[in-house]
Amino acid sequence: DQQVKQNSPSLSVQEGRISILNCDYTNSMFDYFLWYKKYPAEGPTFLISISSIKDKNEDGRFTVFLNKSAKHLSLHIVPSQPGDSAVYFCAASADGAGSYQLTFGKGTKLSVIP
Amino acid sequence: NAGVTQTPKFRILKIGQSMTLQCTQDMNHNYMYWYRQDPGMGLKLIYYSVGAGITDKGEVPNGYNVSRSTTEDFPLRLELAAPSQTSVYFCASSYSVRLAGGYNEQFFGPGTRLTVL
Repeated sequence: DQQVKQNSPSLSVQEGRISILNCDYTNSMFDYFLWYKKYPAEGPTFLISISSIKDKNEDGRFTVFLNKSAKHLSLHIVPSQPGDSAVYFCAASADGAGSYQLTFGKGTKLSVIP
Repeated sequence: NAGVTQTPKFRILKIGQSMTLQCTQDMNHNYMYWYRQDPGMGLKLIYYSVGAGITDKGEVPNGYNVSRSTTEDFPLRLELAAPSQTSVYFCASSYSVRLAGGYNEQFFGPGTRLTVL
């Protein structure tokens, strides 16, 4: 039973255009969401996060949108660059005793074409 | 400041062998974690530790053991390796878990690719 779903295994975008990566979740107890980026043969690195009390968080070219009623979040990258080509993982955390645990989606492989 | 380091990078084991995956962090983080990532899947938590001498099970602990004798080190032990343990293993650390209104990001090591034949 996947609590965090990334339904698109891959995405190809032209350089300079917008990349939109989507993530859905089922657990209504999740209150903090993170995006991690992973290059081949490296560990994931933190990209951006959002609390459930917000609907948008922006950091440079990266913006995360949260729609709580739809249990959906998305990561927008504008403009996309070839160096953004990586696997992007959506992760979620629930407050309380288990807040140490991040639940990860399966990831979306983004390819930015020059 | 090396962050989180893991050794070895690659290892091939035969069924029934045992090994220890090493993890060290130099950020003075209290929390440390072990994850595994199977092909095409997300990361799943194996064990975690909230400080020296304190460890607890995550989502998929069977077949593994951990210890935390120092703040810096968090080794993962595989006893009686099985093909189902073929995976990429990531160690991570964080200062704590939650701040008021925030979440402390986890810093990941580069991973150990383990194959059990």
